[in-house]
Amino acid sequence: AQSVTQLDSQVPVFEEAPVELRCNYSSSVSVYLFWYVQYPNQGLQLLLKYLSGSTLVKGINGFEAEFNKSQTSFHLRKPSVHISDTAEYFCAVKNQGGKLIFGQGTELSVKP
Amino acid sequence: DAGVIQSPRHEVTEMGQEVTLRCKPISGHNSLFWYRQTMMRGLELLIYFNNNVPIDDSGMPEDRFSAKMPNASFSTLKIQPSEPRDSAVYFCASSLPWTGSNEQFFGPGTRLTVL
Repeated sequence: AQSVTQLDSQVPVFEEAPVELRCNYSSSVSVYLFWYVQYPNQGLQLLLKYLSGSTLVKGINGFEAEFNKSQTSFHLRKPSVHISDTAEYFCAVKNQGGKLIFGQGTELSVKP
Repeated sequence: DAGVIQSPRHEVTEMGQEVTLRCKPISGHNSLFWYRQTMMRGLELLIYFNNNVPIDDSGMPEDRFSAKMPNASFSTLKIQPSEPRDSAVYFCASSLPWTGSNEQFFGPGTRLTVL
């Protein structure tokens, strides 16, 4: 069975600082990996996804993530965050014929 | 495209009442998903449909919950009777065929409060 672990439930950071949100997954087969963002009182919006090919994936709003197969990780990074990046971030994993499995979420709080 | 549309956006009801949540998927998407989000349990997949047919309802918490998709452009999630522990945000999402790498597009959610 697949599972997703987001290692930090809350990440406070100052504006313009870099940030990394960590995600590890477990699966015995090849997977697709996603990061979604949820702004307050809104639905989830896709940030980026890894399907195949280059392990470094670039998404919207300056975010990127790196797929590391040996470490079964898909960490999300941004070199310089803005106040507007304050939101909850969800990592998710899916295999070819399976459901989308979400992690518990990481609350990113950007302070001035 | 208007995206996934959900109604109502907020619902407050009393314990024992019937609640119906509605969803209109993105035109052309043939997979539809219902999720529930709570602080305690995070995002849970309740049920999903492909071509209007329920594929997996193992996430539906109990018989009080039911979902239908009478056509490609409309789905409902019904709770009868509702209980305070059903209070949550319910999301509908749609996608191209659910197998493969297709991303899911989420609606804005319905915030349900059962008193």
